[in-house]
Amino acid sequence: NAGVTQTPKFQVLKTGQSMTLQCAQDMNHEYMSWYRQDPGMGLRLIHYSVGAGITDQGEVPNGYNVSRSTTEDFPLRLLSAAPSQTSVYFCASSTTSGPLTYEQYFGPGTRLTVT
Amino acid sequence: SQQGEEDPQALSIQEGENATMNCSYKTSINNLQWYRQNSGRGLVHLILIRSNEREKHSGRLRVTLDTSKKSSSLLITASRAADTASYFCATDPSNTGKLIFGQGTTLQVKP
Repeated sequence: NAGVTQTPKFQVLKTGQSMTLQCAQDMNHEYMSWYRQDPGMGLRLIHYSVGAGITDQGEVPNGYNVSRSTTEDFPLRLLSAAPSQTSVYFCASSTTSGPLTYEQYFGPGTRLTVT
Repeated sequence: SQQGEEDPQALSIQEGENATMNCSYKTSINNLQWYRQNSGRGLVHLILIRSNEREKHSGRLRVTLDTSKKSSSLLITASRAADTASYFCATDPSNTGKLIFGQGTTLQVKP
């Protein structure tokens, strides 16, 4: 199993440009999520999904869109990049059972710089 | 808002010593998780402790949970240089899978 994969690894954008960060998992996990990590801080949840066709907002959703058309893929879209979105982005997935949370598997991250 | 607060923010020890990191949280939880992040990498799950457990072991790791104090500790025994990393606690206070991470403890183990 490849686990959770993310592309690209690095990206530089100009303010106002749009792009999609790709995330895929091959573990048949229902739950997938996107986090951003800023220097000296923990991870903050952007959006998450509990299954195909179902998404919801996390702690810092503004400026980001997501969709979940398949179990495997969970892309994150930046519609109009801003310097405040310079960060490292991590995708994660896990299996769930009702209200029980299980361990999350993280991708290697995408380092995004917006100039 | 940060649900978990780790303490200390940074810790530097010699190889072979034990390292203890603490995590405090604000609301009731079903479980608490610890993750490790090596520099420039994604997070790796270390251990999950449920609210009805007080202590859990995994190799050189020992995690305790005190729900009355809303706190947890991670002990790494006989540390190695390879344990150098940042360690984060995470909780799911809303029981929806939305993990809330603390700011982390940066551990440096000197050979």
